[in-house]
Amino acid sequence: DVKVTQSSRYLVKRTGEKVFLECVQDMDHENMFWYRQDPGLGLRLIYFSYDVKMKEKGDIPEGYSVSREKKERFSLILESASTNQTSMYLCASSRQGLGTEAFFGQGTRLTVV
Amino acid sequence: AQSVTQPDIHITVSEGASLELRCNYSYGATPYLFWYVQSPGQGLQLLLKYFSGDTLVQGIKGFEAEFKRSQSSFNLRKPSVHWSDAAEYFCAVGAWQAGTALIFGKGTTLSVSS
Repeated sequence: DVKVTQSSRYLVKRTGEKVFLECVQDMDHENMFWYRQDPGLGLRLIYFSYDVKMKEKGDIPEGYSVSREKKERFSLILESASTNQTSMYLCASSRQGLGTEAFFGQGTRLTVV
Repeated sequence: AQSVTQPDIHITVSEGASLELRCNYSYGATPYLFWYVQSPGQGLQLLLKYFSGDTLVQGIKGFEAEFKRSQSSFNLRKPSVHWSDAAEYFCAVGAWQAGTALIFGKGTTLSVSS
């Protein structure tokens, strides 16, 4: 089975801290994604990557950056965490190609205080 | 622009009753369509997907969905709901070209009453 692993299920960070959310997939997928999930807003795409060192902005990239140095790992970085970044963060991966399905990690519930 | 609309935010169904969750999409060509389910505190799990061919697709856990091009819809159905089906359900439209991401609807929360 495809496995997408997010390093933390729950995180509590202080305003202004630099926060790293890590995601690893074990199926050699080319594409990796970071989504943010908030009640009533569904899943919104923050960033995605279709290859090592490549990245594309999604719908809500402000306040975030990403890093993909290895194919299996995709990191989301909050340069200076703010309370409005309190949310559920979901990582996903997929094969390259049209219409391929995405496989999701368990999510990281981040609280910024 | 591509988009997905799930008109129902919250639905309550009695256990054993049938279920239909609505999904409408906006897309310029033949879409790739998905339904995902999310149990509380969990990630998303794929229920089923439509690429082409038969417009009625079967998925896991007894779910099915029907693609209707004329109505731009991809509604999810189940003939008899179980209490364990209580979850949030997301419809998504898939990558229309390489290097693009799934677009999700805002989700429908399903509650099951006994």
